Amino acid sequence: SQQGEEDPQALSIQEGENATMNCSYKTSINNLQWYRQNSGRGLVHLILIRSNEREKHSGRLRVTLDTSKKSSSLLITASRAADTASYFCATDAGRTGGFKTIFGAGTRLFVKA
Amino acid sequence: DGGITQSPKYLFRKEGQNVTLSCEQNLNHDAMYWYRQDPGQGLRLIYYSQIVNDFQKGDIAEGYSVSREKKESFPLTVTSAQKNPTAFYLCASITWAGHTEAFFGQGTRLTVV
Repeated sequence: SQQGEEDPQALSIQEGENATMNCSYKTSINNLQWYRQNSGRGLVHLILIRSNEREKHSGRLRVTLDTSKKSSSLLITASRAADTASYFCATDAGRTGGFKTIFGAGTRLFVKA
Repeated sequence: DGGITQSPKYLFRKEGQNVTLSCEQNLNHDAMYWYRQDPGQGLRLIYYSQIVNDFQKGDIAEGYSVSREKKESFPLTVTSAQKNPTAFYLCASITWAGHTEAFFGQGTRLTVV
């Protein structure tokens, strides 16, 4: 079963616009991470937010976490064509969850130049 | 050059054959994971190992087998019992040093011919 579910499944925007992706999860978590995957490649870690944090920034990335709603959002500001990729959220519940890292289905982002 | 290496990049299998996918890491991580990704889909957990000589089934373990005889290596065997093995397979090693971060290989694309 998938822990994280991303929304929307696909997103197409113009270069320079902001892109927002959402992730919902079902059980208690230790932390939540976002990853990026270019077509046919492995995933690359972008940012992690702990369960006791509400917002985190890294360059053009902003992540929020609402544990009461079991949801997170990833905002990419001033998007570039090179941001075109699939974005996944991943959760783990630490020892409570058997140290399993579970990924969602992903949001496919297409940034048009 | 530290990292995680998967081989081969492309693999073709005849129906009824077992094949083994290699995953090696030199990051000194205790945990290693195998995921399966179907076109346009997220990652589904096949098997994971938290420590040498121990591994756990993920959500879709049927038709797969693993071993963890060395910390650096976590090979995945796709057996003939796996009815639909054509997919993209991703191996990851995960560090738990204060936070969770998964490092992915570049993947193996398995095709049944």
